[in-house]
This record gives sequence, C-alpha cells and structure tokens, in this order.
Amino acid sequence: KNEVEQSPQNLTAQEGEFITINCSYSVGISALHWLQQHPGGGIVSLFMLSSGKKKHGRLIATINIQEKHSSLHITASHPRDSAVYICAVAQGAQKLVFGQGTRLTINP
Amino acid sequence: ETGVTQTPRHLVMGMTNKKSLKCEQHLGHNAMYWYKQSAKKPLELMFVYSLEERVENNSVPSRFSPECPNSSHLFLHLHTLQPEDSALYLCASSQDPGGAGGNNEQFFGPGTRLTVL
Repeated sequence: KNEVEQSPQNLTAQEGEFITINCSYSVGISALHWLQQHPGGGIVSLFMLSSGKKKHGRLIATINIQEKHSSLHITASHPRDSAVYICAVAQGAQKLVFGQGTRLTINP
Repeated sequence: ETGVTQTPRHLVMGMTNKKSLKCEQHLGHNAMYWYKQSAKKPLELMFVYSLEERVENNSVPSRFSPECPNSSHLFLHLHTLQPEDSALYLCASSQDPGGAGGNNEQFFGPGTRLTVL
C-alpha cells in the first residue's frame, strides 16, 4: 500500500461541474502539496498547506490533519482544467512522497 | 530565461551510451532535486542537493550520477542505462531555510523524456 493514496484515479466530467479529488496518507507529515501536471510533463505547484483551507481562484484545498486526508476542489470546471493532479506529502527535510495522481478530463 | 529549465527535452540513447541531463534554475533557490516519473508510477525522488551538498539519495543505481557544481545548476550523468530507465526525468528547485525543505514550494522544470533502447 502506498503511503499516499489518491482517489479517483481517473475522473471525467462536464464543463461547469464541481470536482473533488481526494488524498489520504498514512504517515506523519509537515505539509501537503497539490500539484498539476499537464500533457508534456510540466508540473505546477497549486497549493502547499499544513492546516485548514486555502483558495486560489476556482481551486480550493482543504486538509484534516487528524484524519490524514486532504481534498482538492475545482468549482465551475473548464476544459483547460484537464490535467493530472498530484498530491504529495512532505516528510522531513526536502523529501516529498507522491500519490499516483488523478487524471481529470473536463469535456465541453 | 525564467524559472527552471531542462535540456535536452527529449533524449534517445543506447544502453552503452553516456549522456548528461542538465537543469538550471533562475530563481535564486538553494536546493535542487532530481525526480523520476515512470509510466503509471508515482513520482520518485532520486537526489536532493541543498547548498550544493547532496542531502538525500534514495538508493538510486550507480548508473545515475548527479553533479551540482553551484546552486543554479544540476546535472544527471547517465551511463550503461537499462530500458527500464526510460522515463520522464524532472528537475525542481526550492528555497530551503534549513531543515524544513519539504515545507517549501518546489518549482519544476519541463522534464527530459528519456528513452533507452
């Protein structure tokens, strides 16, 4: 079992739908990251959080430290949101452990 | 140039070749990372350099040899690779204030898509 599990692995939705991607982890962490990877490989950091909730535009990330769970939400989804979303947890200095990613496809 | 750049973007090599991947960051960061992303597997950390000293090495085979000549440049030297080493190799950088690097946002390069024949 991976230390970081994401669900679902694949998600297809229609434009405008509210999207939720989940991340559960089994180890102690100092922070959790959400990353976005577009076709071609480039990765962009979306959020880094250690408690509570963060919002950036249509994206919202939440974390529950006690339950070892985080969610990434996308409101009013758009085809340009189609990408792989990756959850990563920080363990110790400089070390990130990654989930397997969630492939999101938003159809027009 | 801004952010984190990687060259080449694509590389095809035979098992007996020697090649190098290059990463350069223009963000003034002091920590740099090599990651491997194989098909259908999570990203794996290979090496971490902080202040040009290697601080993390996840038991990577010796056919991968990193070099960090200064805080802006990172190389990954490749020799006698195997077909299973074919993957996307990603470089990243962050500002490490000391002992809390995992809490700092990492900025990724576009990656080098490596194919070993």
